[in-house]
Amino acid sequence: DAGVTQSPTHLIKTRGQHVTLRCSPISGHKSVSWYQQVLGQGPQFIFQYYEKEERGRGNFPDRFSARQFPNYSSELNVNALLLGDSALYLCASSLARGQLGLYEQYFGPGTRLTVT
Amino acid sequence: AQSVTQLDSHVSVSEGTPVLLRCNYSSSYSPSLFWYVQHPNKGLQLLLKYTSAATLVKGINGFEAEFKKSETSFHLTKPSAHMSDAAEYFCATGGSQGNLIFGKGTKLSVKP
Repeated sequence: DAGVTQSPTHLIKTRGQHVTLRCSPISGHKSVSWYQQVLGQGPQFIFQYYEKEERGRGNFPDRFSARQFPNYSSELNVNALLLGDSALYLCASSLARGQLGLYEQYFGPGTRLTVT
Repeated sequence: AQSVTQLDSHVSVSEGTPVLLRCNYSSSYSPSLFWYVQHPNKGLQLLLKYTSAATLVKGINGFEAEFKKSETSFHLTKPSAHMSDAAEYFCATGGSQGNLIFGKGTKLSVKP
């Protein structure tokens, strides 16, 4: 079975531009979460979507938005890119939303975004 | 608020010697705790998880961790390091939104 897939693998953008990152969850998984991992730090929670609705949001500005599609895939959008947005963006999928001990989050390989 | 603190940013061991990666947690209720591993240019892989069952948790690849409430710790151990264990390790706890809250990571180096 395919794991969580993310595209693109790498991306280089200029300050002020917009970017869209994509994630396909494991088949049968209905929840997708997005995390930002800046070099040398642990991942930081951005969004969680379950059944196509936003169920959680981390401390990120409104420049960050996301959505989940009927097939449970998801997009993360970032507007007006800043140098500080350079990071590895990780997508995680789980069967459902709930106690983390019950529904393990499986991570994709990430998208490396560089903003110049 | 829930949080975890990884006490070492870098740990170096020789192959065949024990591994100890330290993590302390802060939580207002009984926490869920996790250890993840990240190899270069890869996503995160779950090693093990604690969810208020047995305090000694066994994971994959010979790793285990012990939940100690009195010490608010959840340290990761392995009796004998292998070269393939060299990676970054993250301790995490569950957040109120069903999210994971990660520590800053510990880079494990294994010398031949």
